[in-house]
Amino acid sequence: DAGITQSPRYKITETGRQVTLMCHQTWSHSYMFWYRQDLGHGLRLIYYSAAADITDKGEVPDGYVVSRSKTENFPLTLESATRSQTSVYFCASSEAPGLGEAFFGQGTRLTVV
Amino acid sequence: QKEVEQNSGPLSVPEGAIASLNCTYSDRVSQSFFWYRQYSGKSPELIMSIYSNGDKEDGRFTAQLNKASQYVSLLIRDSQPSDSATYLCAVMDSSYKLIFGSGTRLLVRP
Repeated sequence: DAGITQSPRYKITETGRQVTLMCHQTWSHSYMFWYRQDLGHGLRLIYYSAAADITDKGEVPDGYVVSRSKTENFPLTLESATRSQTSVYFCASSEAPGLGEAFFGQGTRLTVV
Repeated sequence: QKEVEQNSGPLSVPEGAIASLNCTYSDRVSQSFFWYRQYSGKSPELIMSIYSNGDKEDGRFTAQLNKASQYVSLLIRDSQPSDSATYLCAVMDSSYKLIFGSGTRLLVRP
């Protein structure tokens, strides 16, 4: 199916564990983004990527790592999860972010206990 | 820190009324502006984009942009209960990062 998919949809992990959230898009969009959404903060940009092998930090990158070896995949890794990283994570992609729509995945609800 | 500000609401309007949602932004060089709608538990979806000063209409939705005042708004005419959602204002900055406001929750009373 065409679109942007995230996995897993729900994840519970323990403090200190490494967690990877997956994001896959089938449109071959150049740009991909990771956001976290918390009550009272809206969507905050963690990392973004303009193309394969090109990534850059957003507003809240600390504690997160990304990679983009293939255009269609943009995984987000929490190297050592903390309770403050409990959030809903959204991946998005866009062909031309200045001119058009960013399409969002379904979101991953992550709980760190 | 580039900012996008919205009133968190909730904004409560009766069915059939006009809902007016407002957003201000701090980055003067921003050129692209978007309104996303997010239902509870769902992902955001684009409803309007606007790039030049003035009004842009699409069905019941009108986006308004004033770059001099760094202000963008969304009007929803003939509001319906199905319009009840959180509306997110987003601004594209000069490095193609999409910066979101915290959203305004809209409640349309039947």
